This record gives sequence, C-alpha cells and structure tokens, in this order.
Amino acid sequence: DAGVTQSPTHLIKTRGQQVTLRCSPKSGHDTVSWYQQALGQGPQFIFQYYEEEERQRGNFPDRFSGHQFPNYSSELNVNALLLGDSALYLCASSKDRGLSYEQYFGPGTRLTVT
Amino acid sequence: AQTVTQSQPEMSVQEAETVTLSCTYDTSESDYYLFWYKQPPSRQMILVIRQEAYKQQNATENRFSVNFQKAAKSFSLKISDSQLGDAAMYFCAYRRPIQGAQKLVFGQGTRLTINP
Repeated sequence: DAGVTQSPTHLIKTRGQQVTLRCSPKSGHDTVSWYQQALGQGPQFIFQYYEEEERQRGNFPDRFSGHQFPNYSSELNVNALLLGDSALYLCASSKDRGLSYEQYFGPGTRLTVT
Repeated sequence: AQTVTQSQPEMSVQEAETVTLSCTYDTSESDYYLFWYKQPPSRQMILVIRQEAYKQQNATENRFSVNFQKAAKSFSLKISDSQLGDAAMYFCAYRRPIQGAQKLVFGQGTRLTINP
C-alpha cells in the first residue's frame, strides 16, 4: 500500500518564477492538505482540497493556489515566487469521513528560491 | 484561533533514559484532538500518538505516553527507554473535532538528541 507521494523531491527556482508541486494521496484517502514548513519551524497550513474544491484555507496570499483531480491527487501552485517562499512543502492526505482523523504526510518537496 | 506552544527548542537525553517534551495549547473549545508527530532527518512526518480531549485516560503507544491535563491545557510526551532512533524533531499539534478532515495547528517543535 503506497503512502503519500510527492514530486519533485527538490526544486530550485528564481525569484518571480512560478512553481507547481504534486501530491498523490494514500490509497483510500479523498482529502489533501498542504503545509509550508520554514526551516526550524512547525508546518503552517496552506489549504485543503476535498471533492476537487478548496474547502479550507490558511493565512496565505492568493499567489498560492491549488487543484485536486478526480483521482484525488493534488497540485500546489505558487506564482511570483519570493525569497521567503523557500521552505519544505508537505502534503498530507486523510479520509473525510469516519472517526480516524489522522493525516498521513508525504516526504515533502524542498523549494529553494534564489 | 487555536495556538500551540512548545517551550523547549532542544532537549537531550542519554540512551535508555526517560525524557518528557512539553506542549501547551490555547482553545475555547471543549472537544478536540491532540497529536505528537515525529519528523526525523528524512523529513517525513510520522504520527507518534493521539489523544481525544473527551477521554480522561492518557494515551499510550509502547514506549510513548502522554500526560494530558485538560484544565491546564497541557499535553506532554514521555518517551521511556530512549533509543537512538528516537532522535528527531517532535511537533505537538491540535485539531478541531469537526466531521471531515480539518487543519492541524502545529507548535514550533522540539529537537530531541539521544546521547549514546
């Protein structure tokens, strides 16, 4: 049973560029959440997707957008990259229904903006 | 808004000894979930233990146990018989109990070092 997968593992971009990160949820999961983790900090919630719609959003600007596909996989897009966007981006998947609220995390994508 | 605070940026312990990591949180809700996650150098966040606020009994998972003090809004993690593989960043997290997956609110983390 494959867990949560993310691609790419590492990415280097230049300020002002755009980037797309990808996530495949754990088998049987239908909800995908994205988190940004700056170096030495705890993860910060960006947004969550369910049924191909953004259901909940954290305190991030509109430069951060996402998408969920019919197979539940998801993309995170960041436009007009800033140096401060350099971070580890974590994807987490979970089931929308049921008592098990555990979120399973992927290994993350390390984004460096120069 | 809910907040989670971990006041110990770093902790160290001798192998085979016991260590306790602290976490406090702030919420106006009476029901919620609390978690401890482990993040080793491989970066993958792994769930260590979960506590439902409506349960008075402290959760236990093998060598890991929590001390949940609801009135004090405190949620500490005790690791017994520490092993070298326990070295990692540890994050305390809060989640509302609303049906459907909800966001996790994380603390700043505690870096745990195990001395052989």
